[in-house]
Amino acid sequence: DGGITQSPKYLFRKEGQNVTLSCEQNLNHDAMYWYRQDPGQGLRLIYYSQIVNDFQKGDIAEGYSVSREKKESFPLTVTSAQKNPTAFYLCASSLRAINEQFFGPGTRLTVL
Amino acid sequence: AQTVTQSQPEMSVQEAETVTLSCTYDTSESNYYLFWYKQPPSRQMILVIRQEAYKQQNATENRFSVNFQKAAKSFSLKISDSQLGDTAMYFCAFIGYNQGGKLIFGQGTELSVKP
Repeated sequence: DGGITQSPKYLFRKEGQNVTLSCEQNLNHDAMYWYRQDPGQGLRLIYYSQIVNDFQKGDIAEGYSVSREKKESFPLTVTSAQKNPTAFYLCASSLRAINEQFFGPGTRLTVL
Repeated sequence: AQTVTQSQPEMSVQEAETVTLSCTYDTSESNYYLFWYKQPPSRQMILVIRQEAYKQQNATENRFSVNFQKAAKSFSLKISDSQLGDTAMYFCAFIGYNQGGKLIFGQGTELSVKP
């Protein structure tokens, strides 16, 4: 089955720890994205990548980092510098940057 | 800067009836795409419908259709024969040809379908 997977579904982190969220796609899409969603809010773009080994900051990149070493993988690291990391994180991909984006099931991150 | 505005935070509709969700956007680009996404309680974002700005014909997907008014920068979603499974948060989204893949979302409309 083609699709986007995110793991884990739920993640708990202590303050001061870095944590990495996984995103994998087998749709052969070039572009991948990370969004953050807070309760009752829309989605805000954290980082995006249009091609392997290249990525750009979105609107709220501070405290986050990414890598794009493989076409199918786009992991997101939430660092200790992110002041308010508790949120729902969604990964998406699209065939090209201008095409519609398809989303994974999301990861709920809670900082204890 | 591009913006997307959904002026109805919450709406409700009776099962089998029709409901229209509003969306307006602001852009200086002439070539762009518009989308409606659905986010049910599972929180999975699902693409409902898409519209290319250069196409005058309104997009339709089964019970979902849009009213795209390019001059007014309006993009409303009509859901016919509403079903309980349509209960969800609905997001309007915009992407311009020159935006490098940056999808801009509205704040969402929470739709409740009542039996």
